[in-house]
Amino acid sequence: GAVVSQHPSWVICKSGTSVKIECRSLDFQATTMFWYRQFPKQSLMLMATSNEGSKATYEQGVEKDKFLINHASLTLSTLTVTSAHPEDSSFYICSAIPGTANEKLFFGSGTQLSVL
Amino acid sequence: GESVGLHLPTLSVQEGDNSIINCAYSNSASDYFIWYKQESGKGPQFIIDIRSNMDKRQGQRVTVLLNKTVKHLSLQIAATQPGDSAVYFCAENSGTSYDKVIFGPGTSLSVIP
Repeated sequence: GAVVSQHPSWVICKSGTSVKIECRSLDFQATTMFWYRQFPKQSLMLMATSNEGSKATYEQGVEKDKFLINHASLTLSTLTVTSAHPEDSSFYICSAIPGTANEKLFFGSGTQLSVL
Repeated sequence: GESVGLHLPTLSVQEGDNSIINCAYSNSASDYFIWYKQESGKGPQFIIDIRSNMDKRQGQRVTVLLNKTVKHLSLQIAATQPGDSAVYFCAENSGTSYDKVIFGPGTSLSVIP
């Protein structure tokens, strides 16, 4: 099956710093990737849709200046949490779809962000 | 962002028994549904999917049932094993795009050896 790699798997940072999370499709090209966040014992919440070569589409309530998304190539999307605060601590997960006609999402392994 | 529910319901089953996990979906325009399994600290793993033109689909030890009338989805796991212990999420496409998938609240399945 298709493989989505996410890096880093965990990161600890100080409040006020920025953190970049990478999502790569290893064996397929993905024009669209998705970013989710998940708090403990809760469901995945869709944050934004990352589109290769264009601006990301953010869900209602998600600050686009806080969560910067860049999808510069067909195999890489990055999520940068800017000026992180403790309330940004969460599990961030990306997903991607191989091709354009396959509905199956493949997920990365997630990134646990802890902001001190 | 979109989300459904804040707390995980739990289900405990004896090893070897069958498990049934239920889910109510919200969007009547959704026509594609997926079940995912998530183990602690990992990303969701695809289990099985179903389109709205079907009411049942079977996989290996798993069956998904879809009732569009009441907007209900269920996942049946036969002969549940300890390795099945995880959180299970139903998900639906947004109704406007096959790609955009919205997750349900999830159910934590605990298998008792």
